[in-house]
Amino acid sequence: AQSVTQLDSQVPVFEEAPVELRCNYSSSVSVYLFWYVQYPNQGLQLLLKYLSGSTLVESINGFEAEFNKSQTSFHLRKPSVHISDTAEYFCAVSPSDATNKLIFGTGTLLAVQP
Amino acid sequence: DVKVTQSSRYLVKRTGEKVFLECVQDMDHENMFWYRQDPGLGLRLIYFSYDVKMKEKGDIPEGYSVSREKKERFSLILESASTNQTSMYLCASSFVNYGYTFGSGTRLTVV
Repeated sequence: AQSVTQLDSQVPVFEEAPVELRCNYSSSVSVYLFWYVQYPNQGLQLLLKYLSGSTLVESINGFEAEFNKSQTSFHLRKPSVHISDTAEYFCAVSPSDATNKLIFGTGTLLAVQP
Repeated sequence: DVKVTQSSRYLVKRTGEKVFLECVQDMDHENMFWYRQDPGLGLRLIYFSYDVKMKEKGDIPEGYSVSREKKERFSLILESASTNQTSMYLCASSFVNYGYTFGSGTRLTVV
């Protein structure tokens, strides 16, 4: 079985500062990894994903995440955040070989302050 | 783009009512899912379906049932609504396991 841990429930940060949202996973099989973003009163949107290949993946709005197999991590980073990045971010994992179910972390609220 | 549509953004129902939450996707995805989202608990899987008329229980199926008569539609049914089912309900669909597309959510309040 897989599990996902997001240790930080909330991350406050000032505008234009860098940020890292942490995600660790547990799995006995190879996995696909995902980050989703949820803006207030909306559903979740896929931000980026790692399926295979390069361990560094990027989104169109400046976020990036790196798959680290030895540390079982998939941390999300952005070098300079904007007020509009304020949202809840969910890390998710699914086994790459069989079932389709995503297992989600409990989410991290990124609160960007002016 | 794949679109997943949930029929209601907000619902208020009375305790004991039978409640139907509808979800429709337009990209011929085989897989569909119902989650509930609660503060501090993240997303918890209620039911999922890999094909028409097929369903499997997720982590918290008690008090819920589902129906999938057509590929594009996946309905969540609260047989007898209770106040502890007040929550945000999210529907999603996917092609294999390359990531989900979510609907906008239905915020259900049971009074």
